[in-house]
Amino acid sequence: EPEVTQTPSHQVTQMGQEVILRCVPISNHLYFYWYRQILGQKVEFLVSFYNNEISEKSEIFDDQFSVERPDGSNFTLKIRSTKLEDSAMYFCASSRDSPEQYFGPGTRLTVT
Amino acid sequence: KQEVTQIPAALSVPEGENLVLNCSFTDSAIYNLQWFRQDPGKGLTSLLLIQSSQREQTSGRLNASLDKSSGRSTLYIAASQPGDSATYLCAPLNRTGANSKLTFGKGITLSVRP
Repeated sequence: EPEVTQTPSHQVTQMGQEVILRCVPISNHLYFYWYRQILGQKVEFLVSFYNNEISEKSEIFDDQFSVERPDGSNFTLKIRSTKLEDSAMYFCASSRDSPEQYFGPGTRLTVT
Repeated sequence: KQEVTQIPAALSVPEGENLVLNCSFTDSAIYNLQWFRQDPGKGLTSLLLIQSSQREQTSGRLNASLDKSSGRSTLYIAASQPGDSATYLCAPLNRTGANSKLTFGKGITLSVRP
């Protein structure tokens, strides 16, 4: 069964460094999302992406964040200058025509 | 702004018990609602999706119901097993045009005792 994959599973970075989190959505899906979950808190929506542009973004998704679909298979989330409070689990999700979203296993980002 | 509440935060039951997990949401103009399972430190596994026009959806021992007008959904787990121990998340989806996003509750952490 097709699934969403994410790499790396765990990323440790120093404050102020740039990180890129990578996702491979399910191949025939058209809508892509990033969510994050700070330890012990709710899963929060960050951004949705369709037709090579951002459809919607939350107030969390400020100028430090960017998303890109550099080729036909990858979907990336870049954090330009990481802060301690960016430490969280980041989930990628995708969907096709039906809005049922399929989630990847997540990347745990630790900012030190 | 959609707000989702799941009460209680944690639940411990003996194996074999039937149980109901509750979810309430403030904005009833939802497109659908998904129930997810999350194991510790892991990703989200979709269990059931209920369209806004449906009242119920079943998968194996799981049954989810939706009352959109009152802003409530329940997940019924029949004959619970220790393998059901996990956190269960409710997430209504609001959609406007091509934009859609899930809003999650904090989840209910279920422990099923052998």
